[in-house]
Amino acid sequence: AQKVTQAQTEISVVEKEDVTLDCVYETRDTTYYLFWYKQPPSGELVFLIRRNSFDEQNEISGRYSWNFQKSTSSFNFTITASQVVDSAVYFCALSINAGNNRKLIWGLGTSLAVNP
Amino acid sequence: NAGVTQTPKFQVLKTGQSMTLQCAQDMNHNSMYWYRQDPGMGLRLIYYSASEGTTDKGEVPNGYNVSRLNKREFSLRLESAAPSQTSVYFCASRPTGDSNQPQHFGDGTRLSIL
Repeated sequence: AQKVTQAQTEISVVEKEDVTLDCVYETRDTTYYLFWYKQPPSGELVFLIRRNSFDEQNEISGRYSWNFQKSTSSFNFTITASQVVDSAVYFCALSINAGNNRKLIWGLGTSLAVNP
Repeated sequence: NAGVTQTPKFQVLKTGQSMTLQCAQDMNHNSMYWYRQDPGMGLRLIYYSASEGTTDKGEVPNGYNVSRLNKREFSLRLESAAPSQTSVYFCASRPTGDSNQPQHFGDGTRLSIL
């Protein structure tokens, strides 16, 4: 099976708390890519990060960090010192082969509410 | 700096009416995609296109047709709209030189079918 599971449907935190969004994937591909997207209340989809399967280094971008662990098939996303503007739905996605193209397998998303 | 442009942004249809959702990108991308987003179901792929003149079915193609007449534009047509097609529709594009570049999304079309 090729799938992405985001077990947390909704998370609610208070501003300045740290929060981790979980993403677990299944794939039969030996080379694959994982993505995180953000969908704020305004509705657009914003690309956050891409990670390939042969690079297990963690990545940090400001308050955002990502932890990729091939051994557990997980690609978790942590927001440090959360802010109200972080309130959004966050999607994890897996890129798979599709004939002459590639397509994304999406998780169902985690809705994050950051309260003042 | 337009990126991916979808028109219209909102539309209300009656059951049985037809409609074409337009999508255009100005980034010279080869691949284009149509998704629908429904509450609790994430994004589901309707159709995609690897290049001008080619299209492939995604997870939920029934009730839709697509057309990729040129590199810039990828349209989605509902021939006979049904209430089950009420959704938010997103178009996306991606370059294929590096096959795992991220998809870039339009702002979406909110479609209601009465």
